[in-house]
Amino acid sequence: GAGVSQSPSNKVTEKGKDVELRCDPISGHTALYWYRQSLGQGLEFLIYFQGNSAPDKSGLPSDRFSAERTGGSVSTLTIQRTQQEDSAVYLCASLKTGGTTEAFFGQGTRLTVV
Amino acid sequence: DQQVKQNSPSLSVQEGRISILNCDYTNSMFDYFLWYKKYPAEGPTFLISISSIKDKNEDGRFTVFLNKSAKHLSLHIVPSQPGDSAVYFCAAKKSSGDKLTFGTGTRLAVRP
Repeated sequence: GAGVSQSPSNKVTEKGKDVELRCDPISGHTALYWYRQSLGQGLEFLIYFQGNSAPDKSGLPSDRFSAERTGGSVSTLTIQRTQQEDSAVYLCASLKTGGTTEAFFGQGTRLTVV
Repeated sequence: DQQVKQNSPSLSVQEGRISILNCDYTNSMFDYFLWYKKYPAEGPTFLISISSIKDKNEDGRFTVFLNKSAKHLSLHIVPSQPGDSAVYFCAAKKSSGDKLTFGTGTRLAVRP
């Protein structure tokens, strides 16, 4: 498809397990963001990839969170040893350049840690 | 440190009337501002944007106003329609290559 694709759309995991969330950005988009939205909260920035530059990881809440972007395309957000407070909708967005163009969001992955 | 603030968590307006959603920011380095709309169980969708060199941008029923001296922007929707009912997020960025910083959102309900 032409849009940003995220998988899975829903994930239920047990506390303490690791999870991987995937984002397929729009083809040709060089920049990619991860955000999360907890229940009743706004969009919390996690990490930003821009081309070959070092990613901006300033939003990652703990060292249990990591992300990579392989080949400048697909990105994976990994959460190790999940906790209940990690439950949220994780949103990925991509944009064509790092310039002032709008970011296009995927539908999100709803993560529930039980 | 909330650099982008939407102080009204919710707003209710009558169909056909104007909806005004407000957003304040603290970082004077922001120079590009965007509004996104979000329906439940969907990702945010881009609505309209404005560069800091402008004070107004209009697109159909949607107009964004920017007051740089007050570090304030607003989104006007006129006339409001029931399909406009959603959560609206204000976002800002400093420059090319910067991340988007979002506000906490305002839930708009348009009553038929």
